[in-house]
Amino acid sequence: NAGVMQNPRHLVRRRGQEARLRCSPMKGHSHVYWYRQLPEEGLKFMVYLQKENIIDESGMPKERFSAEFPKEGPSILRIQQVVRGDSAAYFCASSRLMAAGANVLTFGAGSRLTVL
Amino acid sequence: DQQVKQNSPSLSVQEGRISILNCDYTNSMFDYFLWYKKYPAEGPTFLISISSIKDKNEDGRFTVFLNKSAKHLSLHIVPSQPGDSAVYFCAAMVIRGNTPLVFGKGTRLSVIA
Repeated sequence: NAGVMQNPRHLVRRRGQEARLRCSPMKGHSHVYWYRQLPEEGLKFMVYLQKENIIDESGMPKERFSAEFPKEGPSILRIQQVVRGDSAAYFCASSRLMAAGANVLTFGAGSRLTVL
Repeated sequence: DQQVKQNSPSLSVQEGRISILNCDYTNSMFDYFLWYKKYPAEGPTFLISISSIKDKNEDGRFTVFLNKSAKHLSLHIVPSQPGDSAVYFCAAMVIRGNTPLVFGKGTRLSVIA
């Protein structure tokens, strides 16, 4: 029963390149969340997705960032034309659908993006 | 504007003593609170939670206290062990709103043997 799987664990990109981060949720989980942790900061919400739908993207920058969670395959967070300020740890979390009660998120180990 | 605040970036405690980690929030709509623990190079792991209808929840060595009038919660670890050394994140949410978890900046706990 694998947990939330993220890859790559480490990614190095030069300014202007594209970064793609992948997340496979826990088995049975249909909700995926992406959070970003900048150095010395807490976890900042970026986007919340269900299969084929973006539910809440209020935390995602309007430009250069996009996310998807297709019917088949992992969720992907895509950052185009990366800049140094995008260097951070990107965490994916998943949860089971809960009709009433809180979503306890299960996090992956994170993908650390370094932009040179 | 930070809705969840952890004002102590770090805390050092001797092994066997009590660790108290504090968290304040500003959004009175929050009705569910969680603590996550994070080791280096790993993702946060869920530790303990509390609903706003309670003022205390206990799980082994970990107890979370909630003071709604003060918009304050705390995590007590008794007795503290070296393996508890990690970054602890406080998080909050509005259940009915299905809103995402809002996290504090974290407190780094060091338990000294």
